[in-house]
Amino acid sequence: QVQLQQWGAGLLKPSETLSLTCAVYGGSFSGYYWSWIRQPPGKGLEWIGEINHSGSTNYNPSLKSRVTISVDTSKNQFSLKLSSVTAADTAVYYCARGRPRILTARRTWFDPWGQGTLVTVSS
Amino acid sequence: QSVLTQPPSVSGAPGQRVTISCTGSSSNIGAGYDVHWYQQLPGTAPKLLIYGNSNRPSGVPDRFSGSKSGTSASLAISGLQAEDEADYYCQSYDSSLSGRVVFGGGTKLTVL
Repeated sequence: QVQLQQWGAGLLKPSETLSLTCAVYGGSFSGYYWSWIRQPPGKGLEWIGEINHSGSTNYNPSLKSRVTISVDTSKNQFSLKLSSVTAADTAVYYCARGRPRILTARRTWFDPWGQGTLVTVSS
Repeated sequence: QSVLTQPPSVSGAPGQRVTISCTGSSSNIGAGYDVHWYQQLPGTAPKLLIYGNSNRPSGVPDRFSGSKSGTSASLAISGLQAEDEADYYCQSYDSSLSGRVVFGGGTKLTVL
């Protein structure tokens, strides 16, 4: 059974860089794309981007200029960096397993999800 | 403003059947892209409920069903139970803006 465990700094100041990491336990790491998704307090879900084991990425165009997703296959981990954060980036950030590598992006769904990390941006 | 439109709230009494709609456009659901549904209980991560429009993952009760037609999709919950009270989100793919995964704004289900 695949489990995702995530961690990272929970309080940032405006203009700092958000940094989160997600570790994957069980199952195939190389066979899937791995995503980050966020949810502002009381609001809906927003897909941030995805990566596979070879480092191929796809980002949400609305965040692309500030997002970097990277992978460490030796540890079955992937990470998110979001630069120049503002209060609008305050959200619970989730990591999640996405589509199998053999499927196209349009076939993506997410299962399972990490436990979520609340990141607050405040001066 | 979410790309996929859901009603903010729905409600039903125990045992009843409720449906939650998810309306898109020609660049997402109407383009033939699959719709997936998630259940989010208070304070927890979303959980996959339906994938590929109408398929249930192992462990999801058959009280939950999904369908898609044209530019819309629906989640139906029959035999409503108190533990079904949660937020529900639809998700698909949108081919505009170089392509991206998109979600609905979410629907709060209240069991009366």
